[in-house]
Amino acid sequence: AQKVTQAQTEISVVEKEDVTLDCVYETRDTTYYLFWYKQPPSGELVFLIRRNSFDEQNEISGRYSWNFQKSTSSFNFTITASQVVDSAVYFCALRTISGGYNKLIFGAGTRLAVHP
Amino acid sequence: GAVVSQHPSWVICKSGTSVKIECRSLDFQATTMFWYRQFPKQSLMLMATSNEGSKATYEQGVEKDKFLINHASLTLSTLTVTSAHPEDSSFYICSARDSGDSNSPLHFGNGTRLTVT
Repeated sequence: AQKVTQAQTEISVVEKEDVTLDCVYETRDTTYYLFWYKQPPSGELVFLIRRNSFDEQNEISGRYSWNFQKSTSSFNFTITASQVVDSAVYFCALRTISGGYNKLIFGAGTRLAVHP
Repeated sequence: GAVVSQHPSWVICKSGTSVKIECRSLDFQATTMFWYRQFPKQSLMLMATSNEGSKATYEQGVEKDKFLINHASLTLSTLTVTSAHPEDSSFYICSARDSGDSNSPLHFGNGTRLTVT
């Protein structure tokens, strides 16, 4: 079975703090993709990153960074020096072959509130 | 970049009426589109996979006669909520991937907030 767990329901931080959003996934497939999406209050889903299971290199994009560790089945997302505009719900998602190649399985989401 | 347009953004309808939601890929072709549903403060749940020129594939527990899906062209899929009831009130969001680019991620529309009174 495929599953994505985001244990943190809500996180509240003050601007400029660093924050890490956790994501743990389950799959028996050896080939899979992991994603992070941002959903601001307006509702649209904004694609942030995609990682395939064969690429464990961590990635940094500006204030965003991602830590992929297959050993712990985790794909955590860190925002450095958070800003009010980062306030949103963040979803981690998994796509596998056996789960239906084009289907995304979403975690429950983590609601991040960044206060000035 | 790839854009998925969804219309309308929000709709209010009375119980018993039907509502059609459109999902268009604006600058790419999509043989497959996906319809998700999101209840307040919850995650997105896949309802069905829309296949161009053939029948949609529905997830378990989703009534195909209630949620009619039509994918008549490579750039348009529609979801019709038939005989809507208040419990159908939700946020519906579609997604699509560029069929011509195997590395393309899923792109999402802006969603449609449906309120049934």
